[in-house]
Amino acid sequence: QSALTQPRSVSGSPGQSVIISCTGTSSDVGGYNYVSWHQQHPGKAPKLLIFDVNKRPSGIPDRFSGSKSGSTASLTISGLRTDDEADYYCSSHAGSYAVFGGGTTLTVL
Amino acid sequence: EVQLVESGGGLVKPGRSLRLSCVVSGFTVSSAWMHWVRQAPGKGLEWVGRMKRKSNGGTTDFATFVKGRFTISRDDSQNTLYLQMNSLTPEDTAVYYCVADYGWGQGTLVTVSS
Repeated sequence: QSALTQPRSVSGSPGQSVIISCTGTSSDVGGYNYVSWHQQHPGKAPKLLIFDVNKRPSGIPDRFSGSKSGSTASLTISGLRTDDEADYYCSSHAGSYAVFGGGTTLTVL
Repeated sequence: EVQLVESGGGLVKPGRSLRLSCVVSGFTVSSAWMHWVRQAPGKGLEWVGRMKRKSNGGTTDFATFVKGRFTISRDDSQNTLYLQMNSLTPEDTAVYYCVADYGWGQGTLVTVSS
């Protein structure tokens, strides 16, 4: 049950776009279309941004989008805002278990 | 509106047990894959276990670190999910979250210390 691999940090300026990657294996990200992305502000509970690779729950703006190619999933945040500064985690179904990435800290400069 | 509300956390001594509850509204707990996820202080998110939706058998799966100490159950009449944790160790100290594809709860803090 190895964690998915995410960059420790990414940064961008307001209005720009950033992409956060999430790399797994054929046993998790590559084997299922069940990748989710979660946003967590300091001291707060995580919030679901994307599920099933590219679906948004109601209330999540279309600035947040998800995709997958092979065993790597990606979260794209366009039109960066200062309140997008947070930690982002990916997660994936992996057969008999689920697994999270180590998290990526987004800094909006 | 979807809501998941956890309760039952607190301070417990090593080796003791604790049962967490997750009351759900806005969807039926039996129709969703329900997960427990934890976050130790200053650390990332860690998957604990899940109960599949009823139509998928309602069976449970757990992370390897659980080692048979935890069980997940559900009360459909109360629309509530439970996490029974036994033989707790200090390494189990974390905020425990109830999670579905509809969202996250606010979490409940479990502290294991003598």
